[in-house]
Amino acid sequence: NAGVTQTPKFQVLKTGQSMTLQCAQDMNHNSMYWYRQDPGMGLRLIYYSASEGTTDKGEVPNGYNVSRLNKREFSLRLESAAPSQTSVYFCAGGQSYNEQFFGPGTRLTVL
Amino acid sequence: GEDVEQSLFLSVREGDSSVINCTYTDSSSTYLYWYKQEPGAGLQLLTYIFSNMDMKQDQRLTVLLNKKDKHLSLRIADTQTGDSAIYFCAEREAAGNKLTFGGGTRVLVKP
Repeated sequence: NAGVTQTPKFQVLKTGQSMTLQCAQDMNHNSMYWYRQDPGMGLRLIYYSASEGTTDKGEVPNGYNVSRLNKREFSLRLESAAPSQTSVYFCAGGQSYNEQFFGPGTRLTVL
Repeated sequence: GEDVEQSLFLSVREGDSSVINCTYTDSSSTYLYWYKQEPGAGLQLLTYIFSNMDMKQDQRLTVLLNKKDKHLSLRIADTQTGDSAIYFCAEREAAGNKLTFGGGTRVLVKP
């Protein structure tokens, strides 16, 4: 089992470009989450999906959209990237908040 | 809103005990968590404690919770070089599905 996988590992975008971060889990978890990690600020929740077919906003959803394509996959889209979205993005999956499993992260730089 | 604070840095000698501290503001927190992040990796859940407990021990890890002072600590006994990492505490709010993370404490273990 790979657990939670994320692609790409690294990405550099120009301001205004769009891209989709992919996340997949093979642990049959109902819930999936997208976080961003910025220096000294811990992780902040962008969006989450409590179950297949549902998505909800987290703490910092502006500038992002998500799709829960099926139980395994939860993608994060930046329609028009901004330098403020330079960050490390983590996807997580879990049956409950007491057992969230994190992917290795995507390091995104927006120039 | 909720706020979780941690000190930025801790240096400890191999074999000594480490104590990482965390304070939070949400008195309705139900669960409190400790995560470990090694370089280039995602977060790994170390342990969690329910808010009606004041201590939890798991091998070398001891979690202490002072609910009155809203203070959480993680003690690592016999600290090893492999314990060098960033440690995040997080609290889960009573209502909703959100975790609020502290900014992380970087622990450096010196031989």
